Amino acid sequence: NAGVMQNPRHLVRRRGQEARLRCSPMKGHSHVYWYRQLPEEGLKFMVYLQKENIIDESGMPKERFSAEFPKEGPSILRIQQVVRGDSAAYFCASSPPLRGALNTEAFFGQGTRLTVV
Amino acid sequence: GDSVTQMEGPVTLSEEAFLTINCTYTATGYPSLFWYVQYPGEGLQLLLKATKADDKGSNKGFEATYRKETTSFHLEKGSVQVSDSAVYFCALSDSGGSQGNLIFGKGTKLSVKP
Repeated sequence: NAGVMQNPRHLVRRRGQEARLRCSPMKGHSHVYWYRQLPEEGLKFMVYLQKENIIDESGMPKERFSAEFPKEGPSILRIQQVVRGDSAAYFCASSPPLRGALNTEAFFGQGTRLTVV
Repeated sequence: GDSVTQMEGPVTLSEEAFLTINCTYTATGYPSLFWYVQYPGEGLQLLLKATKADDKGSNKGFEATYRKETTSFHLEKGSVQVSDSAVYFCALSDSGGSQGNLIFGKGTKLSVKP
């Protein structure tokens, strides 16, 4: 059972370009979460998605950032017109559907390290 | 809002030394508490968790006890190894359900010397 797969592992973009980060959740998982880790910082929650729905985007910057989790295919985090401050590691996590009141664990991918030059 | 505060690193220890990494939290509800470990160049792995007060999570020789009275979840290991060198993150979830919406501390880097 493959884990959470993120690609690419490393991404270099020039200022003003677009960055597209992909996340394939574990098999059977319908919840996806994106986090950003700035250098020497902890992880900051960005967005929580279920298939075709954004559940919580309270951590997403208001401009240039968007996320989707279509019915088919991976979840995509898109950053338009990247700036140097977007350089960070972006982690995706997934969890299975809720089972009543039973809490479920989230599993993390290895991350995409974005460098904006 | 909810938050997690953990001791700042880096922490440098000799092999077989005792490890404590402090973690305290603030939360309005009844959170679940976690320790994650991040090895160099890797993603986060769940190390241990506790879902209610007085629970003790344990794994690979690491332990942490959920202390509601002191709002703490300190990580301990009796004898560290070089292979334990990593960044350790304390986290909480107060979502009431799926534990993916986690709030993380800033992380504590541990280096263990032979």
